[in-house]
Amino acid sequence: DSGVTQTPKHLITATGQRVTLRCSPRSGDLSVYWYQQSLDQGLQFLIQYYNGEERAKGNILERFSAQQFPDLHSELNLSSLELGDSALYFCASSVDPLQIGYTFGSGTRLTVV
Amino acid sequence: GNSVTQMEGPVTLSEEAFLTINCTYTATGYPSLFWYVQYPGEGLQLLLKATKADDKGSNKGFEATYRKETTSFHLEKGSVQVSDSAVYFCALSAPRSGYNKLIFGAGTRLAVHP
Repeated sequence: DSGVTQTPKHLITATGQRVTLRCSPRSGDLSVYWYQQSLDQGLQFLIQYYNGEERAKGNILERFSAQQFPDLHSELNLSSLELGDSALYFCASSVDPLQIGYTFGSGTRLTVV
Repeated sequence: GNSVTQMEGPVTLSEEAFLTINCTYTATGYPSLFWYVQYPGEGLQLLLKATKADDKGSNKGFEATYRKETTSFHLEKGSVQVSDSAVYFCALSAPRSGYNKLIFGAGTRLAVHP
């Protein structure tokens, strides 16, 4: 157990629907990062939050949004889902990315049918 | 922009063979470099890291040296085991981004046979 908890582990939904992925960071980590892993795009950085505020944005679609709550858990919202959104979505947390690196959760596998 | 290039896999080895997985990077400034490993059905785990030139990261028999002159961070292990079968990702964190995000290579799948 890495200490980063992601739920659900698997999600199957239809095109056009909306889903919410949840992440609880490791205790003491203020930063949360979201990544998408797909076969054709590899691992892509989506967005980072630090103590409730957005800090960095990557290749995140406008249909996707995220937030971090006062208890530091984060949610990634994916809407108007398309078949191409099927992927593994990872959350990572860190207290010192330069010295310690990132701790990843086990991911949520999203399948859009 | 910043990027990481890894050798394509899969890499197939017999147990106790020597492993090298090549990784080169492009970055402005002085990035930090990482190797992550992903076992089947699991998330990524930090394997080793190096934060400045000539640093050697090591863990579980794996090593990688930060070579600024060749912009490389090749992963090596002297004797692989079946349990090392996984996907290995090279990554960098660049000062320009405030070290806020990791940029990953495409990953290299390693299969070790008895």
